[in-house]
Amino acid sequence: QKEVEQNSGPLSVPEGAIASLNCTYSDRGSQSFFWYRQYSGKSPELIMFIYSNGDKEDGRFTAQLNKASQYVSLLIRDSQPSDSATYLCAVMDSSYKLIFGSGTRLLVRP
Amino acid sequence: EAEVAQSPRYKITEKSQAVAFWCDPISGHATLYWYRQILGQGPELLVQFQDESVVDDSQLPKDRFSAERLKGVDSTLKIQPAELGDSAMYLCASSFETRNNEQFFGPGTRLTVL
Repeated sequence: QKEVEQNSGPLSVPEGAIASLNCTYSDRGSQSFFWYRQYSGKSPELIMFIYSNGDKEDGRFTAQLNKASQYVSLLIRDSQPSDSATYLCAVMDSSYKLIFGSGTRLLVRP
Repeated sequence: EAEVAQSPRYKITEKSQAVAFWCDPISGHATLYWYRQILGQGPELLVQFQDESVVDDSQLPKDRFSAERLKGVDSTLKIQPAELGDSAMYLCASSFETRNNEQFFGPGTRLTVL
């Protein structure tokens, strides 16, 4: 059973801080990795994707991938209360199927 | 901005009734996905279409669920009969292609079975 693991949280950070969200996966053949943001009662919204080892930055978001450790993370700089949501890690496995973690709930305190 | 459309947004039904959900993917997206998301969990794939063909329906409960994409554009997911355990968010997503391609979600249909 291919798995994507995330800490359910909640992760609570003060406004302006860096939020660090982590995810591990079991399928070593996984090729691509995605982060989705989901507000309560809404559908997932794609915010980042990464295919290669290393860092990828987009505005306040940085995705980090370490395939050797089967680990992917999302950093959110200058966290805002509007960033409060559940962040879903999704991994495209070796059969090109997208496997989602259960999500980490982020709370940004004003 | 191109979006995935879904309807209805909310559906309340009684168990043993039939329900149907509709999805219109982003124009030009050949791959369409139906996911089910139970509260507190991540989405789980029910069925994947490439154009009008089913690519993966291994997690679709075929005794009660059916899905079609007859002309390779919009799609319908049906449940008959609905059971209490089917209460969930049903999400449709689309992507330009299958491999390593970003999937974009519609607003979802929140199903409540009483």
